[in-house]
Amino acid sequence: NAGVTQTPKFQVLKTGQSMTLQCAQDMNHNSMYWYRQDPGMGLRLIYYSASEGTTDKGEVPNGYNVSRLNKREFSLRLESAAPSQTSVYFCASRRDRGGYEQYFGPGTRLTVT
Amino acid sequence: GQQVMQIPQYQHVQEGEDFTTYCNSSTTLSNIQWYKQRPGGHPVFLIQLVKSGEVKKQKRLTFQFGEAKKNSSLHITATQTTDVGTYFCADDRGSTLGRLYFGRGTQLTVWP
Repeated sequence: NAGVTQTPKFQVLKTGQSMTLQCAQDMNHNSMYWYRQDPGMGLRLIYYSASEGTTDKGEVPNGYNVSRLNKREFSLRLESAAPSQTSVYFCASRRDRGGYEQYFGPGTRLTVT
Repeated sequence: GQQVMQIPQYQHVQEGEDFTTYCNSSTTLSNIQWYKQRPGGHPVFLIQLVKSGEVKKQKRLTFQFGEAKKNSSLHITATQTTDVGTYFCADDRGSTLGRLYFGRGTQLTVWP
């Protein structure tokens, strides 16, 4: 099992450009999450999806949209990137029954100039 | 804003010394999870604490949940260079959907 995979690993955008960060998990987990990590700020939840077809806002959703394409895939879109969105983005998933820990992907390091 | 306060922000120790990071809250914590993130890596789950006063051990790591469920700690005995990384606590605030609220982390450096 690959676990949680994310693409791309690195990305540089100009202000105003758009892009989609991809995330997939092969563990048959129901719940998936997008976080951003900034220096000294810990991890902050952007959006999450408790099941296929549902999405909900987290702590810092402004400037982002998400799509839960199917049970495996959960994408994060930046419609018009801003320098404040420069961050490391992590996707995570969780098994719902009998499990509580979250499994994180390797992250996408995004720079917006 | 974040209600889970984690201290210290940084800790530098000599290999073999002990290390402790604390997770504090002004309100009652629900279920605490601890994660470790190696430099350049992603967070990896260590443990979950649920009960008041709970103590769990994993080799040299000891995790505690306060009696009033307002604080938690992670203690590492005799640190090794492999312990280097950032340690995060996270509270789920009773969420059944797995939402976690992370502390800002303690970055541990171990000098050989």
